[in-house]
Amino acid sequence: GENVEQHPSTLSVQEGDSAVIKCTYSDSASNYFPWYKQELGKRPQLIIDIRSNVGEKKDQRIAVTLNKTAKHFSLHITETQPEDSAVYFCAASIQGTYKYIFGTGTRLKVLA
Amino acid sequence: EAQVTQNPRYLITVTGKKLTVTCSQNMNHEYMSWYRQDPGLGLRQIYYSMNVEVTDKGDVPEGYKVSRKEKRNFPLILESPSPNQTSLYFCASSPRVGQPQHFGDGTRLSIL
Repeated sequence: GENVEQHPSTLSVQEGDSAVIKCTYSDSASNYFPWYKQELGKRPQLIIDIRSNVGEKKDQRIAVTLNKTAKHFSLHITETQPEDSAVYFCAASIQGTYKYIFGTGTRLKVLA
Repeated sequence: EAQVTQNPRYLITVTGKKLTVTCSQNMNHEYMSWYRQDPGLGLRQIYYSMNVEVTDKGDVPEGYKVSRKEKRNFPLILESPSPNQTSLYFCASSPRVGQPQHFGDGTRLSIL
């Protein structure tokens, strides 16, 4: 069945360093890839998304890259700040099924 | 204010006692979805709805029912709750599938 693998499960970085989270999807029909940030006790909130016809998208300190051939996409956060500490989820929407498959999450800790 | 509203936010109940978690959105979104969040498993889709009267199973539909009689409402029904349905539940909506989802604040269910 469809699957999204996310790595690492935890990530600690020093403030100001970059953080990279990677996801791999199984279904080549996946065509929409959002990333969500979830702070402790809060709802998931979209931070960036990318569609299958685009290779890279950037929004200030956050960027997402997509490699359709390898079926993986990555979240890049530059100049990390303590407020970036949260759990991050990747997801894939599968064309024609209306389903979403989420990764298992990455707990990012930014150390001051 | 654009929002997805879930009720109740917290519920402790007993095995076998039917319960309904309501979800309402005020954004005229066509797509609505229910997820459960468990530690280490990320967000797993229970059911989704592409529009009024159109629903389909996600990855973990067993033990749940949904209905979509009106565009704004998408209740989640547990006919005979069991302890393995103890979880944090999120409702989400988006204009259509493949567009950013807005999540509700979550409902924490404990089934004893």
